[in-house]
Amino acid sequence: DSGVTQTPKHLITATGQRVTLRCSPRSGDLSVYWYQQSLDQGLQFLIHYYNGEERAKGNILERFSAQQFPDLHSELNLSSLELGDSALYFCASSGGTGSDTQYFGPGTRLTVL
Amino acid sequence: AQSVTQLDSQVPVFEEAPVELRCNYSSSVSVYLFWYVQYPNQGLQLLLKYLSGSTLVKGINGFEAEFNKSQTSFHLRKPSVHISDTAEYFCAVYGSARQLTFGSGTQLTVLP
Repeated sequence: DSGVTQTPKHLITATGQRVTLRCSPRSGDLSVYWYQQSLDQGLQFLIHYYNGEERAKGNILERFSAQQFPDLHSELNLSSLELGDSALYFCASSGGTGSDTQYFGPGTRLTVL
Repeated sequence: AQSVTQLDSQVPVFEEAPVELRCNYSSSVSVYLFWYVQYPNQGLQLLLKYLSGSTLVKGINGFEAEFNKSQTSFHLRKPSVHISDTAEYFCAVYGSARQLTFGSGTQLTVLP
């Protein structure tokens, strides 16, 4: 158990819909990272927040957005969903930024029908 | 830019045999290197990391890796594998892009 929690574990929805994925980092960690894992794209970095502020953006679509709240939990919002958005979405946390070891949550499996 | 290449997508090996999973990276600046393992239906777990210092890094579950700057490699090794080592292994680099970039993964299958 990494100490990072993600909810829900599974999510099934339809094209065009909007969903919110939630992540609680390990106690004391200030950084939260979001990743997408799919068969064709592999593990892709989406976005990084540190203590409530966006620090880095990766291959995140404009239909996707994230935020980190004062209690340090984070939410990833996915809108206008397409079939290709079906994937595993992981959250990771670390104490600082950059090269700090990232601890991964169990993931949310999103299926778009 | 930074990138990671895992040269083998699948590695089958018999139980108690040695294994090496290969990883090469590119980055225009100094790098930090990681190996993660993913068991079915689970998140990623850190096996080991190289930040600086000794180029031979020991991790959990008997794994080790060697950082070779001249060959830009960070291969993962284990002298004797167990059935329970069957999993997907990811090499990752933190470097010039200032974000963690993962390789495409190597599926290690340990055969009885």
